[in-house]
Amino acid sequence: DIVMTQSPDSLAVSLGERATINCKSSQSVLYSSNNKNYLAWYQQKPGQPPKLLTYWASTRESEVPDRFSGSGSGTDFTLTISSLQAEDVAVYYCQQYYSSPITFGQGTRLEIK
Amino acid sequence: QVQLVESGGGVVQPGRSLRLSCAASGFTFSNYDMHWVRQAPGKGLEWVAVISYGGSDKYYADSVKGRFIISRDNSKNTLYLQMNSLRAEDTAVYYCARPHYDSGSYVKCFDPWGQGTLVTVSS
Repeated sequence: DIVMTQSPDSLAVSLGERATINCKSSQSVLYSSNNKNYLAWYQQKPGQPPKLLTYWASTRESEVPDRFSGSGSGTDFTLTISSLQAEDVAVYYCQQYYSSPITFGQGTRLEIK
Repeated sequence: QVQLVESGGGVVQPGRSLRLSCAASGFTFSNYDMHWVRQAPGKGLEWVAVISYGGSDKYYADSVKGRFIISRDNSKNTLYLQMNSLRAEDTAVYYCARPHYDSGSYVKCFDPWGQGTLVTVSS
């Protein structure tokens, strides 16, 4: 199984500042035949299901604000929130869909400083 | 709009069984593989099982293999999870989730998710 490890486990950032969450996979999730990284990011607020933010590592889902961006390739990935808003307080998860079983990172809790 | 609604959760004793349902609407259910993902209280996300769009192929997480059975009824637009020999560690919110559809292909990330149904295994 591919192990997904996120860092940090929790993060406190001031409103309007940049937040950066990292995700590392135990093996590459880059599929060479199509040059795509099989990596997604989710946001989960309390009492709600996860919400898809990005897939293919950097493709933003429709209606997701452009302050959210995904980057990285191979085994190292980053979710960046360029200017933190109050409504961004949540737990963020990465997920690989390169191979079965699908696996998630342990989550990163984002709070306001 | 696209919607997934789970039901069937509750409190059950260890060793007993429970069947979850997920009613789908707003999309062509029979075109999509469907998944179950669970989340233990205060914990992260764990993929549980997937069934192919026609129902012929099924795959499970090792943690539930041999105890859980995923199935579907495309005539009723409904996904099921039969959970047998339940254990305390199966306590979780169970979500059904649909693969994302993008530019003519299915991507194995999940959008949408249902609201989830809570299963508590306790004596």
